[in-house]
Parts: sequence; structure tokens; C-alpha cells
Amino acid sequence: GQSLEQPSEVTAVEGAIVQINCTYQTSGFYGLSWYQQHDGGAPTFLSYNALDGLEETGRFSSFLSRSDSYGYLLLQELQMKDSASYFCAVLVGKSTFGDGTTLTVKP
Amino acid sequence: DADVTQTPRNRITKTGKRIMLECSQTKGHDRMYWYRQDPGLGLRLIYYSFDVKDINKGEISDGYSVSRQAQAKFSLSLESAIPNQTALYFCATSDRTGGSNQPQHFGDGTRLSIL
Repeated sequence: GQSLEQPSEVTAVEGAIVQINCTYQTSGFYGLSWYQQHDGGAPTFLSYNALDGLEETGRFSSFLSRSDSYGYLLLQELQMKDSASYFCAVLVGKSTFGDGTTLTVKP
Repeated sequence: DADVTQTPRNRITKTGKRIMLECSQTKGHDRMYWYRQDPGLGLRLIYYSFDVKDINKGEISDGYSVSRQAQAKFSLSLESAIPNQTALYFCATSDRTGGSNQPQHFGDGTRLSIL
């Protein structure tokens, strides 16, 4: 089976940088994905790491270390609209999502 | 128009009723998925289909069935609804080319309440 662990809540202030960690246990691994969900709306794709290292997409970056079964999502220059839930996921065959990290951005 | 459309958006029904949730997509993707989400939790996979003739059980398929009527349509049925199936249900699609790194595209969800 597969399982992913991430913190349940993170709080940060506008303009700051926040890191959301994810550790995983999988029987097979082809990469780690990140999704954003606002208030029970449709999850939207943010980033994907197949190989070790950092992937950067604008203010968001994602990192993967396959040897440590660990990844993180880095959000820079936080804005109020970044308040949402963030999910890490392994999408191979039986897709598995973490339980999500609720990010609250305060003024 | 949305690329992945779920109907209905909200449904309230009674225990024991049969319910069908429908999903249609205009993205031309081969792969389709049904998930449920409970408050404070992640998405759990119910069923997935990699093409019209391919149906696979996910993590929590008991009490559910699916039908892939066409490439663009994937419906989820609750044969005899029970209150603990009250949840937010999402349909998603992905392109098969490029393998597992293709992002999944989600519909807006169906909020289902079973009394």
C-alpha cells in the first residue's frame, strides 16, 4: 500500500516563505505531485517531481529526495489568496493523496 | 464550459436509495477517476478507468459501482446509500501519454448528503 504524511496545519504571514513537508511510503514510486484546494473546491495541480531536486514554478517550488522518501512544497512571497489546503500525492495506479495541510496566511 | 463536469452539484437523499453521480469531460483524456473527500481528509480513490474497457477498484470501492459509458463519460453509483457515504465526491481525468506524471484535472465536485 501507499501512505503519505504531511502536517495538518501551517500558519504564516503575508510576504513570508513557508515549507510544507511530505513523507511517503509506497510500494512503487514514479514521482510526487502537489495539489491546491480552496474551500472544498476542485483540487488543482501545482507541481510534480519525478527526479531528485528542486522544480520551480513562479512563487512555488517543489523538492524531492527519493532516498529519504521526502518532499516539500515551498511557497514564497505569500499572498492572502494562498490560504488553502495543499496535498501531496503519488499518482501511480491507485492514486494516493495525503490528508492535506491547511495553510492560513495572515496579514 | 468546464472541461470536467459533474452532475448533480448537490444531492440530498435518504438511506437505502440508489444514487448515480455523473461525470463528463471534453478534454479527450483516456483516464478517469472517482474520489471521495471527507472533512479534514485527503482524497480517497473509489474507482479508476484507464480506457473504456478498463475498470479498476480503488482504495474504498465497497458500496460503489461505476460505468464507463464512453471515453468522455464515467458515472458512479451508490447501490443502497448509507449515511457514512455522506461526502464530497470528485471526478478527475488525466492524459495517458507521458505516463504517471500527467496531472489530474478535477471537476467541481458533488456534495452528497444521505439522511
